[in-house]
Amino acid sequence: GESVGLHLPTLSVQEGDNSIINCAYSNSASDYFIWYKQESGKGPQFIIDIRSNMDKRQGQRVTVLLNKTVKHLSLQIAATQPGDSAVYFCAEKASGTYKYIFGTGTRLKVLA
Amino acid sequence: DAGVIQSPRHEVTEMGQEVTLRCKPISGHNSLFWYRQTMMRGLELLIYFNNNVPIDDSGMPEDRFSAKMPNASFSTLKIQPSEPRDSAVYFCASSQALGGTEAFFGQGTRLTVV
Repeated sequence: GESVGLHLPTLSVQEGDNSIINCAYSNSASDYFIWYKQESGKGPQFIIDIRSNMDKRQGQRVTVLLNKTVKHLSLQIAATQPGDSAVYFCAEKASGTYKYIFGTGTRLKVLA
Repeated sequence: DAGVIQSPRHEVTEMGQEVTLRCKPISGHNSLFWYRQTMMRGLELLIYFNNNVPIDDSGMPEDRFSAKMPNASFSTLKIQPSEPRDSAVYFCASSQALGGTEAFFGQGTRLTVV
């Protein structure tokens, strides 16, 4: 029979607009979080990270926000470009462990 | 640095055959991770090493899977015997420290078991 794969949520944005990708993490003991970008046929690529003692961190065109109260992480991409089209994953690491657990991912499509 | 290097990039094998995937981590990194990515289950951590020692292999699906890290610059993931449900993309990643820094991923090995 036909296999059912993970349903990847898709976010479509116009080129030049800002994108916000959300992630709900599961473990309140997680102390380190990473956003990765994965393009077709490639491995995940590091974008930005944040530790649990922070609630915001900015990079070049990207900002990560962490809300520990509701266990929510978001990635904001400013002035989205066609090259930003990819699948974006959040990953969490629990305090006292060394496992990076990945979320299911969000597909970002940039419309010209 | 060339980054994490995996070989082969693609592997097609028949059910029952032994498959060996190879990884060269970034020089100076002392932690190494093996992940499997499928449409059904996403990115799963199989096993990770610190200073060449396996720390946690609880993600290894079954005894058919084994991983070794004989030295700081080389690791293998072996599947014997392979089955069609093992078809996936297998990624190796390395990091400078165990936890607290980002892991750098290789390009992956796409395994197809027919």
